[in-house]
Amino acid sequence: EDQVTQSPEALRLQEGESSSLNCSYTVSGLRGLFWYRQDPGKGPEFLFTLYSAGEEKEKERLKATLTKKESFLHITAPKPEDSATYLCAGLTAGTYKYIFGTGTRLKVLA
Amino acid sequence: EPEVTQTPSHQVTQMGQEVILRCVPISNHLYFYWYRQILGQKVEFLVSFYNNEISEKSEIFDDQFSVERPDGSNFTLKIRSTKLEDSAMYFCASSEGVQGNQPQHFGDGTRLSIL
Repeated sequence: EDQVTQSPEALRLQEGESSSLNCSYTVSGLRGLFWYRQDPGKGPEFLFTLYSAGEEKEKERLKATLTKKESFLHITAPKPEDSATYLCAGLTAGTYKYIFGTGTRLKVLA
Repeated sequence: EPEVTQTPSHQVTQMGQEVILRCVPISNHLYFYWYRQILGQKVEFLVSFYNNEISEKSEIFDDQFSVERPDGSNFTLKIRSTKLEDSAMYFCASSEGVQGNQPQHFGDGTRLSIL
């Protein structure tokens, strides 16, 4: 069964304290691995798409990487405004649906 | 930047009543989706829609649910005879296509509360 698992569930960081969020997937025929940011009361906001192992994408303080089994979202020198829930989703071959993980709730303290 | 808009932001309905959730997808997008998120749980796929027909649906999307694109801009989700367990956040999404480089873009959701 296709599945996406994220860890940790919650993470508290001091401002400037870099860390990584993990997304493990067992998705047959992965056509894309997506990272989204979700603020309270809002919908998921698209961040990155990764297609193949070894690929990396960067945006400001965020960098996403992909291996054959997992993806990491690295946050370098985070700021309080990076506080949000980060969602990972997989798209399988022959389907239109995203399979989401439960997310990591990130809190960055000033 | 173009965005997906959803109305209403919050809907309160008595159990057994019908409810219609509305969405305006991004204008040049061709694929439309509904997801739901029960409080504290994962975002779950309900249905995808393309070329005026359902292209895929989950086991959650039973006869109680229906989708429609009544005109060139709106995309609706109807829930007939609502149940308490239908209480959730419902997200609409749209995409240009279904390739990996054509991500789904989400609205801010409708919080549906069934009393």
